[in-house]
Amino acid sequence: DIVMTQSPDSLAVSLGERATINCRSSQSVLYSSNNKNYLAWYQQKPGQPPKLLFTWASTRESGVPDRFSGSGSGTDFTLTISSLQAEDVAVYYCQQCYTTPYTFGRGTKLEIK
Amino acid sequence: EVQLVESGGGLVQPGGSLRLSCAASGFTFSSHWMHWVRRAPGRGLVWVSRISTDGSSTTYADSVRGRFTISRDNAKNTLFLQMNSLRADDTAVYYCAYYSSSVPTGFNHWGQGTLVTVSS
Repeated sequence: DIVMTQSPDSLAVSLGERATINCRSSQSVLYSSNNKNYLAWYQQKPGQPPKLLFTWASTRESGVPDRFSGSGSGTDFTLTISSLQAEDVAVYYCQQCYTTPYTFGRGTKLEIK
Repeated sequence: EVQLVESGGGLVQPGGSLRLSCAASGFTFSSHWMHWVRRAPGRGLVWVSRISTDGSSTTYADSVRGRFTISRDNAKNTLFLQMNSLRADDTAVYYCAYYSSSVPTGFNHWGQGTLVTVSS
């Protein structure tokens, strides 16, 4: 199974400041035939299902604010929030969709400092 | 509007069984692979199982293989998860989900979840 390692486990950032979450896969999730990274990012708030933020590591879903960005390739990925807003408090997960089981990272809890 | 509505969760004793359902609407159910994902209290998301469009192919996480069975009824637009030999560590909110693209890009549609509690 591909192991997804997220860091940090939790993060406290001041409003308006940058938040950075890292995700590393135990093997590459870059599919050579289409040069796409099978890596997704989610945001989950209490009592709600996860919300998909990014596909292909960096393709923002419709409606996701542009203060959110995804980057990386192969085995190392990053989710960045450029200017933290109060509504961004949540747990963030990466997930590989390269092969089953479609493993998730353990999550990063983002809070306001 | 896409809707996925899970049901069937509840309290069950260790070793018991439950059958979860996910009623789908607002999209062509029979055209999409469907998945179950769970989140245990205080823990992260775990992918559980998937089923092909016609039900002929199924895949399971190691932790549930041999105990859980995924199935679907395309005539009734419903996904199922039969859970047997339940253990305390199966306690979780169970979500059904799918991706609307033709390849696995991430789940852009989720139900609200149903809580399964395994306890004596």
